[in-house]
Amino acid sequence: SQTIHQWPATLVQPVGSPLSLECTVEGTSNPNLYWYRQAAGRGLQLLFYSVGIGQISSEVPQNLSASRPQDRQFILSSKKLLLSDSGFYLCAWNPPPTVAGNTIYFGEGSWLTVV
Amino acid sequence: AQSVAQPEDQVNVAEGNPLTVKCTYSVSGNPYLFWYVQYPNRGLQFLLKYITGDNLVKGSYGFEAEFNKSQTSFHLKKPSALVSDSALYFCALRTTDSWGKLQFGAGTQVVVTP
Repeated sequence: SQTIHQWPATLVQPVGSPLSLECTVEGTSNPNLYWYRQAAGRGLQLLFYSVGIGQISSEVPQNLSASRPQDRQFILSSKKLLLSDSGFYLCAWNPPPTVAGNTIYFGEGSWLTVV
Repeated sequence: AQSVAQPEDQVNVAEGNPLTVKCTYSVSGNPYLFWYVQYPNRGLQFLLKYITGDNLVKGSYGFEAEFNKSQTSFHLKKPSALVSDSALYFCALRTTDSWGKLQFGAGTQVVVTP
């Protein structure tokens, strides 16, 4: 069966420090991968998505970047965190093929607090 | 431009009563609609989806949803609510032109009281 892992689950970082959140998917090949951010416990915002290794699409210009160094690994990074980067970050995936009817599955999320 | 709306910020229902969570959408092409549930401090769990075919879709945990093209709605329903159904519910929309972008409604908090 397919599973998705995110870590760390919780992170407290000072302003100006770097960030690395990791996500891996098991039990599938060539998944589409996504990073979402949930602020204030409600609204979900798509940050990045990827259809393959090294292929990243950015939805919102911001202080964050994403990379996909391996087929089932997706990393969210920042060189210098801002207070506004605080939030709940969710990694997600869907299996191939790339069609709109495919279900997207979410990880358990990573809480980031920038202090 | 496409959009998805959940007009109710919170829905309160007594245990055993029917539960309905509303969702409306606007899209120029064919919609692909999804419902997710989120428990506190957890990720989103997939409940059900509409792609094509039968307008009544059955999903996990006794939930179902009815796709209504004329009213552009996709309301989530459960005949008899449980206290454990208390959670945050999200409706989401995808189209063939924007397959990579699952767009979410603002969410509806469901509170089921014993």
